[in-house]
Amino acid sequence: GAVVSQHPSRVICKSGTSVKIECRSLDFQATTMFWYRQFPKQSLMLMATSNEGSKATYEQGVEKDKFLINHASLTLSTLTVTSAHPEDSSFYICSAREGQGSDYNEQFFGPGTRLTVL
Amino acid sequence: AQSVTQLGSHVSVSEGALVLLRCNYSSSVPPYLFWYVQYPNQGLQLLLKYTSAATLVKGINGFEAEFKKSETSFHLTKPSAHMSDAAEYFCAVSDLDNFGNEKLTFGTGTRLTIIP
Repeated sequence: GAVVSQHPSRVICKSGTSVKIECRSLDFQATTMFWYRQFPKQSLMLMATSNEGSKATYEQGVEKDKFLINHASLTLSTLTVTSAHPEDSSFYICSAREGQGSDYNEQFFGPGTRLTVL
Repeated sequence: AQSVTQLGSHVSVSEGALVLLRCNYSSSVPPYLFWYVQYPNQGLQLLLKYTSAATLVKGINGFEAEFKKSETSFHLTKPSAHMSDAAEYFCAVSDLDNFGNEKLTFGTGTRLTIIP
């Protein structure tokens, strides 16, 4: 099956610094990538949808200036948490899909990145 | 907007017993429905999906789910629980946002514990 990787798997940073998380589709071209965050013992909440070569679409309540998403190629999307604070500590999961729009294509999930902000 | 409700945040069953995890959906159009499993500190793995073909869907690891339109349900079952089934399970429904992009909306999850 299709494989999605994330790097790093864990990151600890100081408050006020920025952290970049990479999401890669290893064996397919991902037209669309999704970023989720998951708080402990809670469900996944969609943060944003990004289509290759265009600006990301953010969900209501997600600050686009704080969570910068870049989808510059068909195999790589990055999420940068700018000026991170302890409340940004969470599990960030990306997923990738080959198709876009209303055509059904399965999303393949990465293993997640655990961010801890001190 | 579509939504899913998972009844029971925690379910415990004995090893070898039937597993039943409940999911009800709210949708104004025929939905695509999914079950995912998440092991600790890992991403999500697709167990099975319903995309308007057969109403009884068989997935991996012996799991299956039945789409019942009259009950707006998509419950997940497995005849005989195994210790390795202990995990968090999420039901999800596919939806379209205002830009026509398909996205998944997840339920709150059910933690399955297997009693030896």
